[in-house]
Amino acid sequence: DVKVTQSSRYLVKRTGEKVFLECVQDMDHENMFWYRQDPGLGLRLIYFSYDVKMKEKGDIPEGYSVSREKKERFSLILESASTNQTSMYLCASRQGYTDTQYFGPGTRLTVL
Amino acid sequence: AQKITQTQPGMFVQEKEAVTLDCTYDTSDPSYGLFWYKQPSSGEMIFLIYQGSYDQQNATEGRYSLNFQKARKSANLVISASQLGDSAMYFCAMREGPRSGGGADGLTFGKGTHLIIQP
Repeated sequence: DVKVTQSSRYLVKRTGEKVFLECVQDMDHENMFWYRQDPGLGLRLIYFSYDVKMKEKGDIPEGYSVSREKKERFSLILESASTNQTSMYLCASRQGYTDTQYFGPGTRLTVL
Repeated sequence: AQKITQTQPGMFVQEKEAVTLDCTYDTSDPSYGLFWYKQPSSGEMIFLIYQGSYDQQNATEGRYSLNFQKARKSANLVISASQLGDSAMYFCAMREGPRSGGGADGLTFGKGTHLIIQP
């Protein structure tokens, strides 16, 4: 079975802090994704990566950056957290372009 | 315009009844894929079923089937013999052709339908 794990289920940070959300997959998938989920808006793509050190902007990249130094790990970085980044963050991975995306359990981030 | 539309924000269904969750999509790409995910209150997104745009037959996975009507651009999820454990949010999602030539583009999600199964 594919396993995607995220470093924290719940996280509380203060405005202006630098925040790291970590995602690890154990299936040697090439493609990894970060989404945020907000009530009434569904999931929206923040960034994705199709290879180590490669990254592409999704639909809402503003205020975020990412890092992929190893194939199994994809990090989402909030350089200076703001209250409007309070959300559920979901990581996903996929092997090939037409394959299914598998999601991690999510991190519920609250920025005070 | 929304690419994925789920018109039912919430549904109440009696246990053991069949359920149809609506999804319409909008794309001009001839090659696309349609997915359904279930999200229980725990938060994890669970993959249910997939339909490719060139698939001739409707996809089925156990109690889940996808009623794919290409001309109408609809991809409704049908759950047969609903169970209490089916209570969750359900999301329809679409993968379109590559935006920039071979990239790992993500899925576009609808806003979801909250399904509640009543005993």
